[in-house]
Amino acid sequence: DTAVSQTPKYLVTQMGNDKSIKCEQNLGHDTMYWYKQDSKKFLKIMFSYNNKELIINETVPNRFSPKSPDKAHLNLHINSLELGDSAVYFCASSSRGGPQFFGPGTRLTVL
Amino acid sequence: KQEVTQIPAALSVPEGENLVLNCSFTDSAIYNLQWFRQDPGKGLTSLLLIQSSQREQTSGRLNASLDKSSGRSTLYIAASQPGDSATYLCAVIPLAGANSKLTFGKGITLSVRP
Repeated sequence: DTAVSQTPKYLVTQMGNDKSIKCEQNLGHDTMYWYKQDSKKFLKIMFSYNNKELIINETVPNRFSPKSPDKAHLNLHINSLELGDSAVYFCASSSRGGPQFFGPGTRLTVL
Repeated sequence: KQEVTQIPAALSVPEGENLVLNCSFTDSAIYNLQWFRQDPGKGLTSLLLIQSSQREQTSGRLNASLDKSSGRSTLYIAASQPGDSATYLCAVIPLAGANSKLTFGKGITLSVRP
């Protein structure tokens, strides 16, 4: 199936741990994004990569480090997890000017 | 700074009713506007994309309109069904190309009663 996929779907971890979320798209898009949806369901952009290059960084703490090994992948590594990091993280992709397609989300719970 | 507003936050209607969901944005310099649907615990499904040069887009029972000058978009759902129950989000893109981040509204949670 052509889609945006994310792993894992659920992630439960302790404060202070380091974790990664992976995203892959096989839609042939050149731009990928990470969004965060908080407990009030509000969606906000975190990062955007175009052709493996960081384009948008929306004042996200340095503990969050995205990495794009190629155009089809955008991973998110989070160091020293905090309670406030608990949220649903969505990956998305698009071509220039086209609609953005979202992955199923990764629900992160920090205990 | 672009702000997107969707009011009301929640809406409950009986099955079969035609309804309109509203979206407003503060900066009319947008490249396009996208409507999404989100089911509980799920990701976002793209419903319609309207380019800034377009006035409306249609897909099945859904029709989205765009009035850039007044900073408004509406999503019209015809003959609503219980399966339409979900949260509907609108989002705008200010620029084309690589830095095209979506700015979202907070969504309207729709409940269609059988």
